[in-house]
Amino acid sequence: AQSVTQPDIHITVSEGASLELRCNYSYGATPYLFWYVQSPGQGLQLLLKYFSGDTLVQGIKGFEAEFKRSQSSFNLRKPSVHWSDAAEYFCRADKLIFGTGTRLQVFP
Amino acid sequence: ETGVTQTPRHLVMGMTNKKSLKCEQHLGHNAMYWYKQSAKKPLELMFVYSLEERVENNSVPSRFSPECPNSSHLFLHLHTLQPEDSALYLCASSQVYDGTDTQYFGPGTRLTVL
Repeated sequence: AQSVTQPDIHITVSEGASLELRCNYSYGATPYLFWYVQSPGQGLQLLLKYFSGDTLVQGIKGFEAEFKRSQSSFNLRKPSVHWSDAAEYFCRADKLIFGTGTRLQVFP
Repeated sequence: ETGVTQTPRHLVMGMTNKKSLKCEQHLGHNAMYWYKQSAKKPLELMFVYSLEERVENNSVPSRFSPECPNSSHLFLHLHTLQPEDSALYLCASSQVYDGTDTQYFGPGTRLTVL
């Protein structure tokens, strides 16, 4: 069955540190891939998406993600985290399949 | 207003009440969705409407009844709910319904069932 896995339920980083959130997918073909962010009490906001072409995708708020077919991964990265990045992050593939989310906590 | 709006933002109801959640999208999209988000669970897709026709109904109990009177509005009618139905209910829209389109989400309605 098709699935999206976010192995890390909770990640804590210091402000200014780099960040990588993991997303793995299990699909027969290369899926469409998305990353969303959800701040407390809010809906999900699209950060970036990958359909085809360049495997490094730039998004909003300084985020980027890299599609790696060999690893079935689409990890989200940010070189320097800000306190306002504390939120929950969801990876999504096509057919509306979401991962379970990773909660990011940022310490000053 | 822009984007996807949801009202009310918070709702507390008893198990015998009847209430409705409203969603409105101002993006000119043709597909609308209801999701249930519970703590420590994946986002659960409840219903999908495409061009005002219901195209997905993922085994949702009949105490949840959706309505899509036009492409901009989506309702979720609630009756005789259970405490386990307490959750954040998210509405989303997309240009088309094909599983690959970008979805735009509303802020959600936090529902508490007493």
